[in-house]
Amino acid sequence: EPEVTQTPSHQVTQMGQEVILRCVPISNHLYFYWYRQILGQKVEFLVSFYNNEISEKSEIFDDQFSVERPDGSNFTLKIRSTKLEDSAMYFCASSVGGGIQPQHFGDGTRLSIL
Amino acid sequence: QKEVEQDPGPLSVPEGAIVSLNCTYSNSAFQYFMWYRQYSRKGPELLMYTYSSGNKEDGRFTAQVDKSSKYISLFIRDSQPSDSATYLCAMSANTGNQFYFGTGTSLTVIP
Repeated sequence: EPEVTQTPSHQVTQMGQEVILRCVPISNHLYFYWYRQILGQKVEFLVSFYNNEISEKSEIFDDQFSVERPDGSNFTLKIRSTKLEDSAMYFCASSVGGGIQPQHFGDGTRLSIL
Repeated sequence: QKEVEQDPGPLSVPEGAIVSLNCTYSNSAFQYFMWYRQYSRKGPELLMYTYSSGNKEDGRFTAQVDKSSKYISLFIRDSQPSDSATYLCAMSANTGNQFYFGTGTSLTVIP
C-alpha cells in the first residue's frame, strides 16, 4: 500500500539554526499538509499546499515557517531560526483531494531543539 | 483552543471486550469525522471516515456520529492486544482543509 515517507526520523538542531524536514507524499495525491504534535498535546494543523501554493495555514505557521515542493515528489517544511518551543513531532500528510478527502500521514520527524 | 475534546484515558480492557471511545466538539460547522489509530513512534493511521450523522461499520469497528449532540464514538468489538494504541478523533468543516484533532485516548487490551 502506498505511504507517505518522511526523513529524517529524528533531527537534533541547535537553537537558532535552520532545519528542513522532508516528505514524499503518495504519488497520485495533490494536496499536502504539515502538522505538528508537541509531546503530550494535540496534533495541530500547520499548513496545506495545493497547486504549488499555500491554500490554508494556521496561526502557528508564521514567518518562521515555509513550505516548498522543489520537484515532482518532495514536499519540504523549512523552519528558520529554530526556538526551543519548536521541539515536536512534525507529520506530513497527503490526500487525493482537498476538504473532505481523508488525509494519510507519514510516521513523522521528531525535531529536538537544544 | 478546545474545539475537540477527548478523554485521554488511559483505558485498559481485557481481550474480547467491547471498547467505546468518544469525542465531543463545539463547532457545528464540522461535517466530516475521522478516527485515526496511532501506534508508538508511528504516524496516525486512518481507521474510519464518516460524513454527517449516522453509523458506519467496518469489520470490528463501528463509528457513530450524533451531530445534534456534537458527539462521536468509535466502538471496537472483540478487542485484540494488537488494538493497543492511541486513538485520535479528527474532524473538519465543509470548507477548508484543516483537520482538528482530539488529544487521543490511550488504549491497552490485556491478553
